[in-house]
Amino acid sequence: AQKVTQAQTEISVVEKEDVTLDCVYETRDTTYYLFWYKQPPSGELVFLIRRNSFDEQNEISGRYSWNFQKSTSSFNFTITASQVVDSAVYFCALSEWNTGGFKTIFGAGTRLFVKA
Amino acid sequence: DTEVTQTPKHLVMGMTNKKSLKCEQHMGHRAMYWYKQKAKKPPELMFVYSYEKLSINESVPSRFSPECPNSSLLNLHLHALQPEDSALYLCASSQVAGGVKTQYFGPGTRLLVL
Repeated sequence: AQKVTQAQTEISVVEKEDVTLDCVYETRDTTYYLFWYKQPPSGELVFLIRRNSFDEQNEISGRYSWNFQKSTSSFNFTITASQVVDSAVYFCALSEWNTGGFKTIFGAGTRLFVKA
Repeated sequence: DTEVTQTPKHLVMGMTNKKSLKCEQHMGHRAMYWYKQKAKKPPELMFVYSYEKLSINESVPSRFSPECPNSSLLNLHLHALQPEDSALYLCASSQVAGGVKTQYFGPGTRLLVL
């Protein structure tokens, strides 16, 4: 069965600190997709990154970077030099193709507070 | 353009009312999704439509009735809801076969059932 664990419920940092959000997943499928979404107080889920199970290449996008390790079933997200605007809930999600569409389960989310 | 729109933004309804939520996308996606998100919880999948046909129903009560009238539109008809159905309802869309398999979400409808 699918499972996504985000063990950190809340993280509080001071602006300009680096912060890493952890994500551990479980699946029996060999083909799957991992995502990170950001949810600001407005409620909209903003797509940040997608990784498929065959692509373990790490990625950097500006202040954001992601570390995907199949050996430990982890897909961690690092924000470098955090800013107040990074304050939000961050969800890690696992998607697998089911007949007719993707079944996606989300982790419980990590609420990030960045203080000025 | 990765925009999914949802109307209304907010909705208050009584337990005897009938209302509908609307979702629209113009990205050419042929899969559309409804999620329910309670406060301080992650989104939970309710329904998936693929090529305008219902393909996944996650055992959702019949007081929620989805409809996909065409490839760009997705509705969620609400009838005889309970106060515990109050939540943020999120719509998403994605490609089906091939291409980028990312779900793009709308801003959601905040529903309050009195």
